[in-house]
Amino acid sequence: EAQVTQNPRYLITVTGKKLTVTCSQNMNHEYMSWYRQDPGLGLRQIYYSMNVEVTDKGDVPEGYKVSRKEKRNFPLILESPSPNQTSLYFCASSVGGGTGELFFGEGSRLTVL
Amino acid sequence: AQSVTQLGSHVSVSEGALVLLRCNYSSSVPPYLFWYVQYPNQGLQLLLKYTTGATLVKGINGFEAEFKKSETSFHLTKPSAHMSDAAEYFCAVTFNAGNNRKLIWGLGTSLAVNP
Repeated sequence: EAQVTQNPRYLITVTGKKLTVTCSQNMNHEYMSWYRQDPGLGLRQIYYSMNVEVTDKGDVPEGYKVSRKEKRNFPLILESPSPNQTSLYFCASSVGGGTGELFFGEGSRLTVL
Repeated sequence: AQSVTQLGSHVSVSEGALVLLRCNYSSSVPPYLFWYVQYPNQGLQLLLKYTTGATLVKGINGFEAEFKKSETSFHLTKPSAHMSDAAEYFCAVTFNAGNNRKLIWGLGTSLAVNP
């Protein structure tokens, strides 16, 4: 089954404790992206990757890091989480190109105390 | 700056009634247009998209949308709402069909369906 898998789905952590949200897709997609979803603000892009070893900032990259060492994986790293990073995070992937369908993971709800 | 506006953050309809969710974008450049749906506690999934060709696009679950260039709109409709249609709906636009997948998202419309 074609899918994007995120882990963990739910996480409560404390300020400053480094964490990683993993994302894996099994569709051989070149493009992957991270979004955060906040009430009243819709979806905002954090980082995206056009292919292996190619990443770029989205609209709200501050406080986040990513890497793309393998085509299927695109982890999101919060080096020193802060409460304003409490949010619902989505990973998405698609084939290369601007008109393809984005496939989303089920989301990771992160709370930073 | 290019933008996408979804009129009405919350829409409520009765079961069996017409669903109309509005989306307008700001650009004179021909866009590529998408509607995504997010069911509770799930990720987003594609409902339908317009790239080129016929301006009336049919999607999954009985939804359709019409691209109206003169009105810069891409409203989503369904003739008869079902309880299972209750969800958050997002309109998204891209003006670049190349490798840059930059999407501009609307803020979403939450659809409630009343029995």
